[in-house]
Amino acid sequence: AQKITQTQPGMFVQEKEAVTLDCTYDTSDQSYGLFWYKQPSSGEMIFLIYQGSYDEQNATEGRYSLNFQKARKSANLVISASQLGDSAMYFCAMREGDTGWNTDKLIFGTGTRLQVFP
Amino acid sequence: GAVVSQHPSWVICKSGTSVKIECRSLDFQATTMFWYRQFPKQSLMLMATSNEGSKATYEQGVEKDKFLINHASLTLSTLTVTSAHPEDSSFYICSADGGGRTYEQYFGPGTRLTVT
Repeated sequence: AQKITQTQPGMFVQEKEAVTLDCTYDTSDQSYGLFWYKQPSSGEMIFLIYQGSYDEQNATEGRYSLNFQKARKSANLVISASQLGDSAMYFCAMREGDTGWNTDKLIFGTGTRLQVFP
Repeated sequence: GAVVSQHPSWVICKSGTSVKIECRSLDFQATTMFWYRQFPKQSLMLMATSNEGSKATYEQGVEKDKFLINHASLTLSTLTVTSAHPEDSSFYICSADGGGRTYEQYFGPGTRLTVT
């Protein structure tokens, strides 16, 4: 079964508009972390935002915010005021386990290709 | 911020040869590094977790004898694709843990391997 599900293979948004990229996850762990990464055509993985399972407030980083709904197991990424440079693949990922925040493997979703048009 | 480099950034090799890819943490020490493979238009798939001074832990379905991983120091992990075949052509990305109680893995820029 998929642990991270991104149901939108592609999304279009007009410049300066907001867009929401969906992500749902499946885990039985109480402690986990959710990440969003951006991958432009160059291939590098750019960290955008992180949400811990115990964080009560939604994470925000500049124009990025994470709409975390724990009961629904969803962690949607909201990009406000889209820019042409936001065109890229976006991956949702989850870290499970309690062995260490940064030594547990990441599980990635299939990604959403976002295209911003003028 | 923490920087991870990979070398080479791209490589073309003939079928049957071996290719080594290096992953270095430039300004921090990484006890654990991860190796991912990404086929075109697909997601990142974890191949193995590499711990300094010990054997790598491979994910199910990844051939440990084909993909040799060596994490000899706290700043260097290498992935060697042995007897490469065209189906091994892919984008290989490494990441490294931050060395502390941070939540982020730092990714390298990736290596594009083409086997002819």
